[in-house]
Amino acid sequence: QVQLQESGPGLVKTSQTLSLICNVSGVSITSDGYYWTWIRRPAGKGLEWVGRMYPTGIPNYSPSLESRVAISLDTSKNQFSLKLTSVTAADTGAYYCARWVQLRQACDVWGQGTTVIVSS
Amino acid sequence: SYVMTQPPSVSVSPGQTATITCSGDKLGDKYVSWYQQRPGQSPILVIYQDLRRPSGIPQRFSASNSGNTATLTISGTQAVDEADYFCLVWDSGTAWVFGGGTTLNVL
Repeated sequence: QVQLQESGPGLVKTSQTLSLICNVSGVSITSDGYYWTWIRRPAGKGLEWVGRMYPTGIPNYSPSLESRVAISLDTSKNQFSLKLTSVTAADTGAYYCARWVQLRQACDVWGQGTTVIVSS
Repeated sequence: SYVMTQPPSVSVSPGQTATITCSGDKLGDKYVSWYQQRPGQSPILVIYQDLRRPSGIPQRFSASNSGNTATLTISGTQAVDEADYFCLVWDSGTAWVFGGGTTLNVL
């Protein structure tokens, strides 16, 4: 059974860097056909795609966030991470990691999510 | 950038059919997936590749995609279906794009 679990600080100070980790179990993140993805839901808004990474490729980021975001994989720990720099209150919300399945063109497994509050 | 529009809310009586739309330029040329997010929970995939249901998703969920509109239909809507629903596509210019989301109220 594939499971994803986010972890990281629930509170980040304005202008600092938000760092989250997604631990993956039940499948290797180096398996073919899967992209490892971050999605968020800002407070009071809808879902927003943040970015994704394929083990052998370069990451893809949302154009609105790409100047501040970085996604990386740690194959030794079977986990991937998200870093978002220069955060503001607009970055407050729930953050989800998910598996994108290329054959299905969809995110079929999601983590439970973690809430991040940005405050001074 | 690519934009997809969903109605902010849809209301339906229990047992009736709920229809949620997602509109975008030439949307029918893209693969649409649909996600259900209940309050306090993470999203779950209910439809992929326009009309396919993952295992475990009830048959009352169906979908289509043609022209500029994708449609998610819930037949015999139940109280448990009350949630936010989002469509998602990949656009070559914008990468992955979610619709704004539709809150389904089962009254």
